[in-house]
Amino acid sequence: QKEVEQNSGPLSVPEGAIASLNCTYSDRGSQSFFWYRQYSGKSPELIMFIYSNGDKEDGRFTAQLNKASQYVSLLIRDSQPSDSATYLCAVPTTGNQFYFGTGTSLTVIP
Amino acid sequence: GAVVSQHPSWVICKSGTSVKIECRSLDFQATTMFWYRQFPKQSLMLMATSNEGSKATYEQGVEKDKFLINHASLTLSTLTVTSAHPEDSSFYICSARAPASGSHTQYFGPGTRLTVL
Repeated sequence: QKEVEQNSGPLSVPEGAIASLNCTYSDRGSQSFFWYRQYSGKSPELIMFIYSNGDKEDGRFTAQLNKASQYVSLLIRDSQPSDSATYLCAVPTTGNQFYFGTGTSLTVIP
Repeated sequence: GAVVSQHPSWVICKSGTSVKIECRSLDFQATTMFWYRQFPKQSLMLMATSNEGSKATYEQGVEKDKFLINHASLTLSTLTVTSAHPEDSSFYICSARAPASGSHTQYFGPGTRLTVL
């Protein structure tokens, strides 16, 4: 089992809809979780991180964490074509590196 | 805040030459920097972890004599691809970890696209 797993997609949603991206992790002791967005040909950029169970909102983005079920999700409300990108879930290791998921490709259709 | 730069943004070189890529944290001190490589439509692959003032830790399968990493200061790490070959052509990305409050957050540079002819 991989440390961090994501559905590779592609995920397509119409403009204005809610995009839901999911990530599961294997280490029950993980404490923090990160979401990055990567546009084609560009480097990843941090969207948000979450430490506590429940929801964390930042603008149109909401991260949801459920440690008991070992999943973290990212919701994008009012999806825009500019949100079309690959979304990476990352979980720190004990060595301060990241386990990255393979990423979910999102396409927002105008 | 938390801006990381890379230079150059792209480079084309002949097979057999060496290429140096710089990674700088512009507005914070980074005790730890990371070097990744990404091939088209593939995931990020961690190459090495670079700690200021000490030798880099390389991931399994990454040749340390080919990919020389130097982290001479808290704001600069360099990756030198020695005797580059066409198979080294890739997108090289660095990231820096801001150490404050034990944060694991990594901030990525814009990447360097290397093409070896």
